[in-house]
Order: sequence, then structure tokens, then C-alpha cells
Amino acid sequence: KAGVTQTPRYLIKTRGQQVTLSCSPISGHRSVSWYQQTPGQGLQFLFEYFSETQRNKGNFPGRFSGRQFSNSRSEMNVSTLELGDSALYLCASSLRGSLNTEAFFGQGTRLTVV
Amino acid sequence: GENVEQHPSTLSVQEGDSAVIKCTYSDSASNYFPWYKQELGKRPQLIIDIRSNVGEKKDQRIAVTLNKTAKHFSLHITETQPEDSAVYFCAASRTNNNDMRFGAGTRLTVKP
Repeated sequence: KAGVTQTPRYLIKTRGQQVTLSCSPISGHRSVSWYQQTPGQGLQFLFEYFSETQRNKGNFPGRFSGRQFSNSRSEMNVSTLELGDSALYLCASSLRGSLNTEAFFGQGTRLTVV
Repeated sequence: GENVEQHPSTLSVQEGDSAVIKCTYSDSASNYFPWYKQELGKRPQLIIDIRSNVGEKKDQRIAVTLNKTAKHFSLHITETQPEDSAVYFCAASRTNNNDMRFGAGTRLTVKP
């Protein structure tokens, strides 16, 4: 069974540009969450999607957005990139929306904004 | 929303000693508390989790305790080994809600 796949693995963008990151969950998993990981800040929750709907949202500005497709694959978009957006972006998928189940993480996309 | 605090931020122990990491949470409705281990350059992986209907859970050298009244939970690793060296994250969330919030992490170093 394939794990959670994130693409691309590495990305370098210029300040002001926008970027789209992709996450393919484990087959059958319907919930996808996104996290930003920076040194010293741990894992900051961005948002969670379930059945193509955003159910939860963290405290990030509107420049951060996402969506989920009917096959549960999810994308995250960051517009007007800032230097502070440089981070490892992790997505995690879990089996179902009710009764918490283990979240499986992808390898992450390391975004560098220059 | 939920706020999870984790202590200590770094922990160094001698091989064979025990390690304890503590977390507190703010949302009394949280009832699922997983712990993740992240080795350098790798993805976080679940090592143990506990739900609010139990006070303690053990899996070999790893145990987690939960005090719902005080809203804190702890990870205990006994007989530590160098391969236990990693960053450990605690998290909390509610049933029917995958809004899982993580602590800031604890960097554990086990010295041989």
C-alpha cells in the first residue's frame, strides 16, 4: 500500500510569487491535513479537508489556501510568498472523519523563498 | 482553539535511563492524544496514542499517561537507547474532528 505522497519534494520560489503543493493520501483515506514545520515552531496546523470540504482551519493568513478533489488528493496554495513562508510543509492523511485514527505523514515539501 | 504546550524543549539522557516528556492542553473537549517521533530528515510517525477513556497505555518501553482533570499527558520511555534519539511531538484533538494541534516538540538525545 503506497504511503502519503507529496510533490514536489523541494521548491525554490521568489518573494511575491505563488506556489502550489500537492498531497496524495493513502488509498481510502478521506481526511487530509496540512502543517507548516519550522525550526523551533513545531508543527503548525494550516487546515484539514474531508470529502472535498475544509472542516478546520488554523491561524494562517488568507494567502494560504487549499482544496481537495473527489479522489481525496489535496493541494495547498500560497500566494504572494514572503521570506517567512520558507518551511517544510507536511500533509497527513487519515482514514475517516469520525473517531480519530492515526494520521500518516508524507515526506513533506521543503519550500525556500528567496 | 486547542493550545498544546510541551516541555522540555530539549532532553539529554544517558543510555538506559528513563525519559519523560510532558504536555498540557487547553480544550477540555479534546479526547485523543497521539505522540509522534520524527527522526532527522524523516516524516513524523505515530509511536503511541491514548484516548480519554483510559488513564494509561503501555507498549513495550513506551508508556503514556493522561490526567483529564489536570489536562495533561506524558510520554515515558524506559531503558532508552541511542536509536530513541529524535524529536517527539505530542498532539491533541477531539473525536469527529481532525483539527489536531501539536506541541512544539522535544529533542531527545540519548548518549551511549
